[in-house]
Amino acid sequence: QVQLVQSGAEVKKPGSSVKVSCKASGGTFSSYTISWVRQAPGQGLEWMGRIIPILGIANYAQKFQGRVTITADKSTSTAYMELSSLRSEDTAVYYCGRGITTKPLDYWGQGTLVTVSS
Amino acid sequence: DIQMTQSPSSLSASVGDRVTITCRASQGISNYLAWYQQKPGKVPKLLIYAASTLQSGVPSRFSGSGSGTDFTLTISSLQPEDVATYYCQKYNSALWTFGQGTKVEIK
Repeated sequence: QVQLVQSGAEVKKPGSSVKVSCKASGGTFSSYTISWVRQAPGQGLEWMGRIIPILGIANYAQKFQGRVTITADKSTSTAYMELSSLRSEDTAVYYCGRGITTKPLDYWGQGTLVTVSS
Repeated sequence: DIQMTQSPSSLSASVGDRVTITCRASQGISNYLAWYQQKPGKVPKLLIYAASTLQSGVPSRFSGSGSGTDFTLTISSLQPEDVATYYCQKYNSALWTFGQGTKVEIK
């Protein structure tokens, strides 16, 4: 059974950066993709980007280009999402999700609340 | 970028009703379309992928159809536990996009 466990809640100042981790267990980490999706309070789901760990290649939504970096450490089966130049509008729950060849996001992490406040 | 537009944005129906949600892509995406259910305060859950394939464990009252630009999620007989927001998502390329969501309530 695949399980994705994310790091804990964060409170950040505007202008700073946050790095959220997503540790996978079950399955073969290198054989799937990890996406990051966020959800601002009361809002819908927003896809931010994804990484293919076996290739180390990441793709990002245009909205986040230049501000988000997604990485993966195959040795620890952990993916990371770093978002920089934080502003209040980045306050949201951030989810990681696993994808395989036929399914986009069949397993999700529990979510990490990032609060940006001065 | 391909945009995904869902309709309606919300609906209210009675238990046992047939409910239909539509999702339209601004360009053709073949059948690279998934549907998710998110109950209040919970993590999203994959319901359907490849436009019409039911994810394991999902009740058979859920079904999906469509190809190209127009897609449909149908709940054949609405149940109280189906109260949730439903999202479509396209994944035909390196860049993925969600629809804005449809909130389903019980009348």
